[in-house]
Amino acid sequence: NAGVTQTPKFRVLKTGQSMTLLCAQDMNHEYMYWYRQDPGMGLRLIHYSVGEGTTAKGEVPDGYNVSRLKKQNFLLGLESAAPSQTSVYFCASSPLAYTQYFGPGTRLTVL
Amino acid sequence: TQLLEQSPQFLSIQEGENLTVYCNSSSVFSSLQWYRQEPGEGPVLLVTVVTGGEVKKLKRLTFQFGDARKDSSLHITAAQPGDTGLYLCAAVSLTDSWGKLQFGAGTQVVVTP
Repeated sequence: NAGVTQTPKFRVLKTGQSMTLLCAQDMNHEYMYWYRQDPGMGLRLIHYSVGEGTTAKGEVPDGYNVSRLKKQNFLLGLESAAPSQTSVYFCASSPLAYTQYFGPGTRLTVL
Repeated sequence: TQLLEQSPQFLSIQEGENLTVYCNSSSVFSSLQWYRQEPGEGPVLLVTVVTGGEVKKLKRLTFQFGDARKDSSLHITAAQPGDTGLYLCAAVSLTDSWGKLQFGAGTQVVVTP
């Protein structure tokens, strides 16, 4: 039982490049979330999903897209990376909302 | 602007001392959670409080939810170096249907031997 895993752990992009972050959970949770964490700002919700095939915008969705084609996977895409998207990205899953289980994070730097 | 204000932002104490971290808001929440995050890892849930005035204890950690469900505190007794970490409070708004959490900015606690 691996819990929540995130791929990759680190990535460096140039401005304008695209990439996809993968989140996988093996706990059969319905809810999944993507956050970004910046110094002094806590975690901010980017997008979330309340079930397979559904997604919704969070607090800071601009510049990101998501997909939840399979219940266990939640993908976060950056179509054209910008330096402002340099951050640590965390994925979380939850069985029925409230209690969230977090992955180890992806550290992304955009030059 | 943070919906949840945590104080202090940083706390450095000696092993054996006590500390209290605060989480305040002008909004009422249906529930509030405390997480601890260590460097290079994701946050880990410590406790969830739901009822106004509720007090929960987890070994040397005591959590309290304010009577009006707008604030909370975390008290650590006889802190140990293993308590070092970033403590985050997070809450669910009364109007939220999906349990989305709003996080405070966190309190960095450093306990030195």
